[in-house]
Amino acid sequence: EAQVTQNPRYLITVTGKKLTVTCSQNMNHEYMSWYRQDPGLGLRQIYYSMNVEVTDKGDVPEGYKVSRKEKRNFPLILESPSPNQTSLYFCASSPGTSGFSYNEQFFGPGTRLTVL
Amino acid sequence: AQTVTQSQPEMSVQEAETVTLSCTYDTSESDYYLFWYKQPPSRQMILVIRQEAYKQQNATENRFSVNFQKAAKSFSLKISDSQLGDAAMYFCAYRSGLGKSNFGNEKLTFGTGTRLTIIP
Repeated sequence: EAQVTQNPRYLITVTGKKLTVTCSQNMNHEYMSWYRQDPGLGLRQIYYSMNVEVTDKGDVPEGYKVSRKEKRNFPLILESPSPNQTSLYFCASSPGTSGFSYNEQFFGPGTRLTVL
Repeated sequence: AQTVTQSQPEMSVQEAETVTLSCTYDTSESDYYLFWYKQPPSRQMILVIRQEAYKQQNATENRFSVNFQKAAKSFSLKISDSQLGDAAMYFCAYRSGLGKSNFGNEKLTFGTGTRLTIIP
């Protein structure tokens, strides 16, 4: 089954304790992206990747890191989480054609993160 | 930068009736895509319908249709014969269609959402 998976689905942590949210897709997609969803703000892009070793900042990258060492995986790293990073996080992927044509983006199930 | 506005935080509709959710957007681009996503309580993001800006014909998917007014930058979603399973948060989203302007970033710009309640 073609899908985007995220782990963990729920996480409660404390300020300053490094954490990683994993994202994996089995569709051989080139493009992957992370969003955060907050009430009253919708979803906002954190980082994106057009291919292996090619990543760039989205609209709200502060406090986050990403890596793309393999095509299927795009982990989101919070090196020193703070309470303002409490949010619902989504990973998404698409075949990727450098934006010249439409490709549907497939979303993961979401990760609910609480930072105390 | 593009912006997407959903002015209705909450809407409700009687089962089997029709409801329209509003969305306006702001862009200087001529080539773009517009979407409606549904987010049920499971939190999964589900694509409901897509509209290409170059197409004059309004997109339809079964009970879901859009009213795309390019000059007015308006993109409303009409749900006909509302069902209990339609209850969800609905997000309007925009994506640039020009590779040279977004350098390959397929970023979706979302509105703030409209929570739809279906009254039995």
